[in-house]
This record gives sequence, C-alpha cells and structure tokens, in this order.
Amino acid sequence: DAGVTQSPTHLIKTRGQQVTLRCSPKSGHDTVSWYQQALGQGPQFIFQYYEEEERQRGNFPDRFSGHQFPNYSSELNVNALLLGDSALYLCASSGSGAADTQYFGPGTRLTVL
Amino acid sequence: RKEVEQDPGPFNVPEGATVAFNCTYSNSASQSFFWYRQDCRKEPKLLMSVYSSGNEDGRFTAQLNRASQYISLLIRDSKLSDSATYLCVVNRATTNAGKSTFGDGTTLTVKP
Repeated sequence: DAGVTQSPTHLIKTRGQQVTLRCSPKSGHDTVSWYQQALGQGPQFIFQYYEEEERQRGNFPDRFSGHQFPNYSSELNVNALLLGDSALYLCASSGSGAADTQYFGPGTRLTVL
Repeated sequence: RKEVEQDPGPFNVPEGATVAFNCTYSNSASQSFFWYRQDCRKEPKLLMSVYSSGNEDGRFTAQLNRASQYISLLIRDSKLSDSATYLCVVNRATTNAGKSTFGDGTTLTVKP
C-alpha cells in the first residue's frame, strides 16, 4: 500500500515565478491538507481539500491556491514567488473525520532565489 | 501568542533517561490531539494520539488535561534512536475539516 507521495522532491525557482506541487494521497483517504514548514518551525496549515473543494484555509495569501481531482490527488500552486516562500511543502492525507490522523508525504523542498 | 506552544529545547539526555515534553494550546474548542515525531529533513510521522484518560505505547506515555489545556509526552528509558523533534498537534472540532495546528517542536538529543 503506497503512502502519500509528492512530486517533485526538490525545486529551485526565482522570485516572481509560479510553481505547482503535486500530491497523491494514501489509498482510502479522501482529504488532503497542505502545510508549509519553514526551517526551525512547525508545519503551518495552508488549506485542506475534501470532495474537490477547499474546506478550510489558513493565514496564507491568495497567491497560494490549490485543486483536488476526482481521484483525490491534489495540487498546490504558488504565484509570484517570494524569497520567503522557500520552505518544505508537506502534503498530508486523512479520512474525513475530524479525529482522523494525518499521514504526511516526504515533502517538496522549494528554494526561491 | 501562538495557538500551540512548546518548549523548543533542546533537551540533551543520556541513554536510559526519562524525559518529559509539555505543550499548551489556546483554543478550547480543540477536540483531538497528537504527538508527531520528525527526523531531520524528513516528514512528520505520527507517534501517538492523546486521549483524555491518558495512554501508553511502550516507553511512551501521553496525557491530556483539558481543563488546563495542556498535553504532555513522557519517554522512559531513552534510546539513541529517540533523537528527533517532537511536534504537538491539535485539531479543531469541525467535522470533515479538522485543521491541524502544530507547535514548533521540541528537539531531543539522546547521547551515549
């Protein structure tokens, strides 16, 4: 049973560019959440997708957008990249209950130059 | 003030020691609680859920005090392999939309 997968593993972009990160959830999971983890900090919630809709959003600007596909996979898009967007981007999948535990993918490490 | 606060450490302990980590949360509507472990440059992995009655998994014991909005993790007989960052995680009560709030983690180094 494959766990959560993410692509790419590493990415280098320059300021002002746009990036798309991808996530495939663990088998049987229908909810995907995205987190940003800066160095030395805990993951910060970006948003969560369920049934192809954004269900909740954290304190991130509109430059961060996402999508969920019918097969539950998801994309995170970031426009107009800033240096401060450099971080590890984690995708987590879970069932739809509030108490369901989340399982994380290995992350995509984004560096903005 | 952050919604979930942890002592960042680092905690440096010898093998075999007992170490305890604390976490406080500010949102009284929080309904589910977890400890995750994160190794350097890796993804967080679930260590254990935390229940009101307290729960134990081998050398690890987690406790929750809802009145004080406080969560703890106790590690007994520390192993070198326990060296990692431990993240306290709190979920809100909304059905089908359990936003997770993470603390910034407590770093543990177990030394020979």
